Amino acid sequence: GAGVSQTPSNKVTEKGKYVELRCDPISGHTALYWYRQSLGQGPEFLIYFQGTGAADDSGLPNDRFFAVRPEGSVSTLKIQRTERGDSAVYLCASSLEGVGTQYFGPGTRLTVL
Amino acid sequence: GENVEQHPSTLSVQEGDSAVIKCTYSDSASNYFPWYKQELGKRPQLIIDIRSNVGEKKDQRIAVTLNKTAKHFSLHITETQPEDSAVYFCAASFTGSTLGRLYFGRGTQLTVWP
Repeated sequence: GAGVSQTPSNKVTEKGKYVELRCDPISGHTALYWYRQSLGQGPEFLIYFQGTGAADDSGLPNDRFFAVRPEGSVSTLKIQRTERGDSAVYLCASSLEGVGTQYFGPGTRLTVL
Repeated sequence: GENVEQHPSTLSVQEGDSAVIKCTYSDSASNYFPWYKQELGKRPQLIIDIRSNVGEKKDQRIAVTLNKTAKHFSLHITETQPEDSAVYFCAASFTGSTLGRLYFGRGTQLTVWP
């Protein structure tokens, strides 16, 4: 079946702009995670959804970052007033339940100029 | 929170040799330890995982060992091949309650020379 998909694959924006990154999890997976990966680093946790609700948003760096999952499937990560330090690959992962294997999407490479 | 340390950061081996990557974790509540392989520009892919009720797990050329007392776990790749070249990440997680976030190490760049 289809794996986790993310769009866009690349996003270039200017400092101060607003961006939205989309994640389509594997069908039937109730748990969805967002991570951020900087060059030469391991993925860093941002937020975890169980169904429609954010079960753990403790990894969001500040209030410019927000994520939603209104119908318990697709999720959107929203970044306001982007800064150059937000440049990274944003990875999404899903699992059957919160305790299952996490399957990653290909990521969105965000570049803030 | 959990802290995962991974060593070495780079590892070069000759084709056919074995490779070992080691990780330590800080939170004794962690009970799930996956290993991911990430090729350049690609998504992380799970290659093997182990839960805390098991000390060792093997899958063909890949094995993982876990020492709960010492809070460390290792990835062993035997008979390495050039296609094993990639960045490998260890991770730790506590899968009880509503949690499940993965804490990753910083990665090991493995290069297998033909």
